[in-house]
Amino acid sequence: GENVEQHPSTLSVQEGDSAVIKCTYSDSASNYFPWYKQELGKRPQLIIDIRSNVGEKKDQRIAVTLNKTAKHFSLHITETQPEDSAVYFCAASKPTGNQFYFGTGTSLTVIP
Amino acid sequence: GAGVSQSPSNKVTEKGKDVELRCDPISGHTALYWYRQRLGQGLEFLIYFQGNSAPDKSGLPSDRFSAERTGESVSTLTIQRTQQEDSAVYLCASSSSAGLGQPQHFGDGTRLSIL
Repeated sequence: GENVEQHPSTLSVQEGDSAVIKCTYSDSASNYFPWYKQELGKRPQLIIDIRSNVGEKKDQRIAVTLNKTAKHFSLHITETQPEDSAVYFCAASKPTGNQFYFGTGTSLTVIP
Repeated sequence: GAGVSQSPSNKVTEKGKDVELRCDPISGHTALYWYRQRLGQGLEFLIYFQGNSAPDKSGLPSDRFSAERTGESVSTLTIQRTQQEDSAVYLCASSSSAGLGQPQHFGDGTRLSIL
């Protein structure tokens, strides 16, 4: 199978600072890594994803990096804003079966 | 519709009753997933359907839980003889299998409360 670990479980940052959330995975066959943001009482929403053929992807204030050798990937949020406060989940997926394995989530609080 | 639709949005029932939750995936999505999310917790995988293949039921917590899907359309998750520990939000997601690495799209979930 696959085991995805996510750290930290909670993170507080001052508005304008950066936030970094890290995930590790165990199965080297995993090749797709999405990140989801879940606001309180709402559905998880895809915010960014990366495939194993690239090492970094950026979308405005959000970036994801992937280190296939070390089997870890990270979410970077720059210039954080209060509306970034939410729970963030990482996930890993393998090319066979299309099963997704989720991390346990990081509760991010951006302090105004 | 444009997104994954789940019904009901909320369900309150007495312990011991059976409940049925419904999920309408995005049209054309061959993969459908059910997750359970307890308050303040992560996503607990329950079951996964992929086209006409046998479903992956490895996440179902007990034989009180079952799910069906007709072809590539609606899925129903049934919980029999509900217990208080079944109280949670049940999320459905679907994804396309048109290529490798397709993201999941989630519904708003069904909030189940067992009295």
